[in-house]
Amino acid sequence: DTAVSQTPKYLVTQMGNDKSIKCEQNLGHDTMYWYKQDSKKFLKIMFSYNNKELIINETVPNRFSPKSPDKAHLNLHINSLELGDSAVYFCASSKQGNSNQPQHFGDGTRLSIL
Amino acid sequence: AQTVTQSQPEMSVQEAETVTLSCTYDTSESDYYLFWYKQPPSRQMILVIRQEAYKQQNATENRFSVNFQKAAKSFSLKISDSQLGDAAMYFCAYRSPGQNFVFGPGTRLSVLP
Repeated sequence: DTAVSQTPKYLVTQMGNDKSIKCEQNLGHDTMYWYKQDSKKFLKIMFSYNNKELIINETVPNRFSPKSPDKAHLNLHINSLELGDSAVYFCASSKQGNSNQPQHFGDGTRLSIL
Repeated sequence: AQTVTQSQPEMSVQEAETVTLSCTYDTSESDYYLFWYKQPPSRQMILVIRQEAYKQQNATENRFSVNFQKAAKSFSLKISDSQLGDAAMYFCAYRSPGQNFVFGPGTRLSVLP
């Protein structure tokens, strides 16, 4: 009965590869997010997406792309991985219309680039 | 743009004692919401407490309470009777209607036995 689940929990891969991280939420939320948490623990929003609008943080390289097959899923695709992409990536969801509702986070995916 | 500041990168507290983590934010909005999240070593992000800006009464959740000072744009978290399991990163977050969450840089709390 996990609310926000993301897979895999750990991902180790070579520089230059393409990889995906999957995220699913069963909370009926209408908005999903991807965050990057660097080694200093700073949380940086990468994308927010609902069925109407994709908002991209302009500092995110276009090697990163979100894919949403339906409202319950928002997967993250990363092309041509670089050393600086090593971080923990969090998926989250919330109800956009109710600002007092918190975001619910997945457990994170630790991505390590060799 | 809204910003959230946590001026204490690290804090420590003795077990059973009380500790206060500070958070300030910058906004021109009058309607917004504030949150504290806890991230233990397991790296899960766990909601600790939330506060609506229109409420004057400070939110409390068991041993966790906030001191919300709207005029000063301050939202500190007080942890009473600290336990070893409280050791974690704590993030303050802000959200106004229709906008994304803005997180502070975090405070690492250590609890000493």
